[in-house]
Amino acid sequence: AQKITQTQPGMFVQEKEAVTLDCTYDTSDQSYGLFWYKQPSSGEMIFLIYQGSYDEQNATEGRYSLNFQKARKSANLVISASQLGDSAMYFCAMREGLRGGGNKLTFGTGTQLKVEL
Amino acid sequence: DTAVSQTPKYLVTQMGNDKSIKCEQNLGHDTMYWYKQDSKKFLKIMFSYNNKELIINETVPNRFSPKSPDKAHLNLHINSLELGDSAVYFCATSSSGEDTGELFFGEGSRLTVL
Repeated sequence: AQKITQTQPGMFVQEKEAVTLDCTYDTSDQSYGLFWYKQPSSGEMIFLIYQGSYDEQNATEGRYSLNFQKARKSANLVISASQLGDSAMYFCAMREGLRGGGNKLTFGTGTQLKVEL
Repeated sequence: DTAVSQTPKYLVTQMGNDKSIKCEQNLGHDTMYWYKQDSKKFLKIMFSYNNKELIINETVPNRFSPKSPDKAHLNLHINSLELGDSAVYFCATSSSGEDTGELFFGEGSRLTVL
């Protein structure tokens, strides 16, 4: 069974600083995918970044980058130049493919990030 | 047009009632899901349909019954509502043909059982 662990229930960061949100995973699959989603206080789930298990380069999307360390089974999210609008809950998730089609994403417990002036 | 839309967005009801939440997508995706987010924000998958076929049925009380009339719709019916059913229910979609398997979420339906 797949498992996702986010050990930081809450994090604080100063505006314009970088912050790293931790995520470790456990799977016996060779092929898997890792995601980060953002959930602001308004409640919607916003896709941020994706890393495939066979991708050799770390994924980047604007101010977001994913520090993928396969041997350590970690997929940390790095947010550079934090902004007040980055204050939100952040979820790490892992995908497993299913026979017959479709995917299943298993989510971690989330990290509540607060950006301060 | 909202890509994944859920109705209603808010639902307040009494224990013991039966209620339904509807989900519609216009992305042309072949897989749809229901996730439950509890008061601690934990997101847990409940059901998934691929081309109208049930492919994921997690350990969920049988008071919950999903129905997919077609590939663009996935409804969730809940019988005999209990206090513990209070949560935000998210509909999501994905495409089997998409490499990443990214989920596209609806805005959520907040169910409050009194």
